[in-house]
Amino acid sequence: GAVVSQHPSRVICKSGTSVKIECRSLDFQATTMFWYRQFPKKSLMLMATSNEGSKATYEQGVEKDKFLINHASLTLSTLTVTSAHPEDSSFYICSAASTGAGYTFGSGTRLTVV
Amino acid sequence: AQSVTQLGSHVSVSEGALVLLRCNYSSSVPPYLFWYVQYPNQGLQLLLKYTSAATLVKGINGFEAEFKKSETSFHLTKPSAHMSDAAEYFCAVSGPNFGNEKLTFGTGTRLTIIP
Repeated sequence: GAVVSQHPSRVICKSGTSVKIECRSLDFQATTMFWYRQFPKKSLMLMATSNEGSKATYEQGVEKDKFLINHASLTLSTLTVTSAHPEDSSFYICSAASTGAGYTFGSGTRLTVV
Repeated sequence: AQSVTQLGSHVSVSEGALVLLRCNYSSSVPPYLFWYVQYPNQGLQLLLKYTSAATLVKGINGFEAEFKKSETSFHLTKPSAHMSDAAEYFCAVSGPNFGNEKLTFGTGTRLTIIP
């Protein structure tokens, strides 16, 4: 079945630094990648939608300059949290999708900013 | 616009008892409906999906769900709960262009299994 690899699974960084999270579809080409943020004991909040070779579409209230999304190929998307602060600490999950085949989720990244 | 409502943020059942997790949807177009399970600090795993074929959908781990258009519901059931079923469950909806459009999630239901 479809597999999405997301890493790192856990990262701790200092306030003010940037962190990059990778999301790869291993055995299929993802036409669309979605990035979600999940607060403790809460549902998934969609941050942005990206298509290969296009600029990401951000949801209302999500700072596009802070959360940089790159979708360079049909199998790779990255989320960079720039100038991270403690309030950016969260669980980030990517989802890779292909037309008609549905959605496959990565295993998530726990970001802690200290 | 599409949305899902999950009734009951917490559900507790005894091991071996019936599991029923409720999901109601709202959609202006024919919906595609999904149930996902999430274990602590992990991503989401697809349990089952409804894509306009059979209204009774069987998924993994003994779960199934029935699409009822008249009730706008897609409740998840399992005849006999197992300790390993303890997790967070999310209902989600997309339009017919699924794979290209976003999923909209419910707020989740935490399932606890009582030994």
